[in-house]
Amino acid sequence: DAGVIQSPRHEVTEMGQEVTLRCKPISGHNSLFWYRQTMMRGLELLIYFNNNVPIDDSGMPEDRFSAKMPNASFSTLKIQPSEPRDSAVYFCASSLGGNGGELFFGEGSRLTVL
Amino acid sequence: SQQGEEDPQALSIQEGENATMNCSYKTSINNLQWYRQNSGRGLVHLILIRSNEREKHSGRLRVTLDTSKKSSSLLITASRAADTASYFCATDRGAGSYQLTFGKGTKLSVIP
Repeated sequence: DAGVIQSPRHEVTEMGQEVTLRCKPISGHNSLFWYRQTMMRGLELLIYFNNNVPIDDSGMPEDRFSAKMPNASFSTLKIQPSEPRDSAVYFCASSLGGNGGELFFGEGSRLTVL
Repeated sequence: SQQGEEDPQALSIQEGENATMNCSYKTSINNLQWYRQNSGRGLVHLILIRSNEREKHSGRLRVTLDTSKKSSSLLITASRAADTASYFCATDRGAGSYQLTFGKGTKLSVIP
């Protein structure tokens, strides 16, 4: 079975540009999480969706970040405009139930903002 | 703030030796999980231990949980070079909580 699929795997962009990261969760999973990983701060939860509805976006750093989940099989994380401090690896994870159980992670999208 | 914090930050051992990593957390939990991350890859779930369990085994992995001390340990026995990775503990915030909070991980190097 396919796992969580993220694209792109690597993105290099210039400050001020718009960045869109994509995620396809595991079929049948009803919970989706976006995490950001940096050396300094580790893994931080950005936003959590349950049944396609954003439940908690308190981890989204600022208004430049937005996330959508138009259907059960697709989610996007958008940064507009991007800044160098947004450079990080962004992970999408899905789970069945969203009650603190096992998360299935994608391979991540490594973003570099110059 | 970090809920789970692992120590040591880095660990280097010879192949065949056992590796022990520790995790401490601050608030009450329902479950505690351990994940592995190979360099440049996503996290992979290893094992989940419930708050009413004290020990759990999975293959060469042994996890203990002491809720009175708010700590857990992950033991990898007879380590292999392929075990080289970062290991993270993740805690929820009690029953019904959806949010998992990860520590910064222990980087394990197993030398062949």
